[in-house]
Amino acid sequence: GIQVEQSPPDLILQEGANSTLRCNFSDSVNNLQWFHQNPWGQLINLFYIPSGTKQNGRLSATTVATERYSLLYISSSQTTDSGVYFCAVALYALNFGKGTSLLVTP
Amino acid sequence: GAGVSQSPSNKVTEKGKDVELRCDPISGHTALYWYRQSLGQGLEFLIYFQGNSAPDKSGLPSDRFSAERTGGSVSTLTIQRTQQEDSAVYLCASTQLGPDTEAFFGQGTRLTVV
Repeated sequence: GIQVEQSPPDLILQEGANSTLRCNFSDSVNNLQWFHQNPWGQLINLFYIPSGTKQNGRLSATTVATERYSLLYISSSQTTDSGVYFCAVALYALNFGKGTSLLVTP
Repeated sequence: GAGVSQSPSNKVTEKGKDVELRCDPISGHTALYWYRQSLGQGLEFLIYFQGNSAPDKSGLPSDRFSAERTGGSVSTLTIQRTQQEDSAVYLCASTQLGPDTEAFFGQGTRLTVV
């Protein structure tokens, strides 16, 4: 199956800092999504981004499909950004990376 | 419905008992997935339904696990003779047309086998 690697595995930021999360994948894909899993376990859709760049408020994402990676940018981080960020890619079923665990401190 | 709905939210069962977990996808979505998430881990694919096609069961960990989807809508995941290692959060997702389209997840069912 498709291998998905996310980095870094853990990240601690002070409120207001910026960060970049990376997702590498091993094969061409038809779908790439970024999710935020909040402390209650709910998976929140951030971006559906098989290619190109999208922005939503303080978050933006870029996928370079030909080079098999995607980046998630978080600017001016807030404590509510804490949680686990997952990248998932699909040719068929969605394959998830192991996630980046983010803690934003006041 | 407006979102993917899963029930129950929490289930505690005794080892050896059977359990049924329910997923109600977004209305009109043709594809449905089941995943399992053990504590502190990523999501593990279990099974995939697409329209009237035969389901992809390649992720089911053992023959104690089965799933069905009735009328192309509601799905039930059944675990027979539960074991402690089955304890996890079971998540369901649906997409409008299949793996090329955006997946939306339910809130999950937390299963605890004691």
